[in-house]
Amino acid sequence: DAKTTQPPSMDCAEGRAANLPCNHSTISGNEYVYWYRQIHSQGPQYIIHGLKNNETNEMASLIITEDRKSSTLILPHATLRDTAVYYCIVRVPSMNNAGNMLTFGGGTRLMVKP
Amino acid sequence: NAGVTQTPKFQVLKTGQSMTLQCAQDMNHEYMSWYRQDPGMGLRLIHYSVGAGITDQGEVPNGYNVSRSTTEDFPLRLLSAAPSQTSVYFCASSYRRDRNYGYTFGSGTRLTVV
Repeated sequence: DAKTTQPPSMDCAEGRAANLPCNHSTISGNEYVYWYRQIHSQGPQYIIHGLKNNETNEMASLIITEDRKSSTLILPHATLRDTAVYYCIVRVPSMNNAGNMLTFGGGTRLMVKP
Repeated sequence: NAGVTQTPKFQVLKTGQSMTLQCAQDMNHEYMSWYRQDPGMGLRLIHYSVGAGITDQGEVPNGYNVSRSTTEDFPLRLLSAAPSQTSVYFCASSYRRDRNYGYTFGSGTRLTVV
């Protein structure tokens, strides 16, 4: 799996967009970008994933650069409940029973402030 | 209630004691896994299972055993607890078809070894 680099922490004002960057300069052509988050003391929660096109769901948007070496997770209107650690994970989707479970790095601690 | 249930939520052990962390899911998920999370760090995979009767090691398996006799249960056994095993333990499960993103995590077991 490609290595990812994320800033250790970020602040965002409540109601504003939170833009969380992730660098994955060694990503290979068949690796997807996944985002999870972990709210304090809870288990991680899946947010969104993509290959090369931008993706949007009810939680967030994912913008992947054309060269796929970096991506940005966007929370359009951050709330206090979005305060969490956000993990960017790059991996090849598991196509067989060999496992290839999620590998979490340090993530970005997002603090949404009133 | 559908989801992943972990018990106990908190546990204090003395060095050398053994115990089993329980994990049960009622969603008929094929994939189950155990992670540990040390303070200020991301999650690390301990063991995983792709179905009943099938288990394999993750990134940090030493000191832990698992078994998967049923689809629903995936207990994690600490053979002889050590202070280095003080951590928060998360169990996760998913359908095989959702194995790349559809993970459901339990609320965690906070273990302290003294």
